[in-house]
Amino acid sequence: GESVGLHLPTLSVQEGDNSIINCAYSNSASDYFIWYKQESGKGPQFIIDIRSNMDKRQGQRVTVLLNKTVKHLSLQIAATQPGDSAVYFCAERGGADGLTFGKGTHLIIQP
Amino acid sequence: GAVVSQHPSWVICKSGTSVKIECRSLDFQATTMFWYRQFPKQSLMLMATSNEGSKATYEQGVEKDKFLINHASLTLSTLTVTSAHPEDSSFYICSAIQAQTYEQYFGPGTRLTVT
Repeated sequence: GESVGLHLPTLSVQEGDNSIINCAYSNSASDYFIWYKQESGKGPQFIIDIRSNMDKRQGQRVTVLLNKTVKHLSLQIAATQPGDSAVYFCAERGGADGLTFGKGTHLIIQP
Repeated sequence: GAVVSQHPSWVICKSGTSVKIECRSLDFQATTMFWYRQFPKQSLMLMATSNEGSKATYEQGVEKDKFLINHASLTLSTLTVTSAHPEDSSFYICSAIQAQTYEQYFGPGTRLTVT
């Protein structure tokens, strides 16, 4: 699984701009990927998921891109709003195991 | 959507005591539940996988005698931190897999502080 760092990377964007959060995953056998949003003191909140047989999936204001060749996942948030401020985690799952979470990125929205 | 609850939401206990955390799937049956631990400014780390009616499977480095997991029914799993120490202070989060859809839902977490 992914290693866990002591400090979360931070991405600061202006309100209304688009945000792109990146994630590298480690297990080439993982077949399911999820992006979660976590606000301070709360559990992870599902945003969007994608299976390994796809390379792009769109939701409301969010898009997930999957590049299996380089084991890279990204989350694009369009027209970011103050409520988007949170820590975002990617997670991967291979088979029936629990999820393996990435390091997380702290998204800060500047007014 | 499916809801997972945790109780208590926060707890403070003295070093050496034990504390039990409950995880419930409120409106669905969960054959599998997971327990995660999250230290400040870090990611969630899987501690153990709990299957109803059988022994939990612990991740490498997690002491099974210290973190007792019981999954007695399809809607309830408990995590007991035995002989707690200050280094056990953390945010404990459970998740449950809905039996029919295999979708995973997270609880709101329990903040444990050991003094």
